[in-house]
Amino acid sequence: AQTIHQWPVAEIKAVGSPLSLGCTIKGKSSPNLYWYWQATGGTLQQLFYSITVGQVESVVQLNLSASRPKDDQFILSTEKLLLSHSGFYLCAWTGFEQFFGPGTRLTVL
Amino acid sequence: GDSVTQTEGQVTVSESKSLIINCTYSTTSIAYPNLFWYVRYPGEGLQLLLKVITAGQKGSSRGFEATYNKETTSFHLQKASVQESDSAVYYCALGDSNTDKVVFGTGTRLQVSP
Repeated sequence: AQTIHQWPVAEIKAVGSPLSLGCTIKGKSSPNLYWYWQATGGTLQQLFYSITVGQVESVVQLNLSASRPKDDQFILSTEKLLLSHSGFYLCAWTGFEQFFGPGTRLTVL
Repeated sequence: GDSVTQTEGQVTVSESKSLIINCTYSTTSIAYPNLFWYVRYPGEGLQLLLKVITAGQKGSSRGFEATYNKETTSFHLQKASVQESDSAVYYCALGDSNTDKVVFGTGTRLQVSP
């Protein structure tokens, strides 16, 4: 069975500080991977997707970047956090449906 | 563009009563959209509740049903008799199987009171 692990579970960061969120997929080779973001009270927005190692496509510009250093790993990062980055970040992969990780709650103060 | 509208942010229903959560969609880029309902139970991750890929068909799971209505561009979620354990946030979504693009609604929080 495929599993998705995200880290950290939650993070509280200062404005202007760097951020790195991680996602690992186990049990699935060469998955299509996605990052989603949901602001409090907002909708889930697709941020990035990647179909292979080293290739990432941006869907929504939020002053964030993503990388796929390994087949089973997807990283979301920024050098300078903004208040507007607060929210819930979900990693997902696509099979017949989309499977989501448990998410990371980010609070920027 | 593509969008999904859920008009109710929160719904409160008494146990054993019926439920309907509204969802309408709009798309300009997806020729044959797939429609989904996802659910997030308290303390758990987002998971698929049901999916319908063909207009006119109905999907069902855990007592919930939704019919893909292309004429009214709707995919309302219904349940005849809700339980307390159904309390969760429900998201309607529109997907493109050719590109894996998925567009979500804003979600509807269902609170079932005993």
